[in-house]
Amino acid sequence: GAGVSQSPSNKVTEKGKDVELRCDPISGHTALYWYRQSLGQGLEFLIYFQGNSAPDKSGLPSDRFSAERTGGSVSTLTIQRTQQEDSAVYLCASSPRASGSSYEQYFGPGTRLTVT
Amino acid sequence: AQTVTQSQPEMSVQEAETVTLSCTYDTSESDYYLFWYKQPPSRQMILVIRQEAYKQQNATENRFSVNFQKAAKSFSLKISDSQLGDAAMYFCAFGGGADGLTFGKGTHLIIQP
Repeated sequence: GAGVSQSPSNKVTEKGKDVELRCDPISGHTALYWYRQSLGQGLEFLIYFQGNSAPDKSGLPSDRFSAERTGGSVSTLTIQRTQQEDSAVYLCASSPRASGSSYEQYFGPGTRLTVT
Repeated sequence: AQTVTQSQPEMSVQEAETVTLSCTYDTSESDYYLFWYKQPPSRQMILVIRQEAYKQQNATENRFSVNFQKAAKSFSLKISDSQLGDAAMYFCAFGGGADGLTFGKGTHLIIQP
């Protein structure tokens, strides 16, 4: 079946502009995760959704970051007034259940964001 | 909060040889899972192997196996008969509870032909 898809694959934007990154999880997966991977670094957890709700938003780096998920499926990560330090690869993952424990997470190919 | 440490930024191994990647972690939880993910240049994160903390037996997946030492909080990955396609970044990750995984900074594995 289809895996996790993300769009766009690459995004170049000017500092101060808003961007939207999209994630389409594996069909039937209830949990959805967003991570950020800066150059040469591991993955930094941003937020997760169980269904349409996000129980914990404390991983978002600043109030310029927001995320939503509608219909228990597609999720959008929005970054307002982008800054150069937002440049990174943004990865999305989905899982059959909301747990980092017993269920592995299936990752999408990521969106590479470059803020100029 | 948990932390994951990968002390080897880069490792190199001859094709067909065996290599071990190190990972240590710190947590106060007693029930958790550990993962190794592979990330080739395509950026796609691929699950290599998973270990449940309550299991004493080390997980094995074909040429990949782990040495899980719970008391020492150590979780190393052994790759046997290394192949050119194994070249990638390898990330150790900790999973516990409903939040996302905690990743180490990765080890870049180079396979010498």
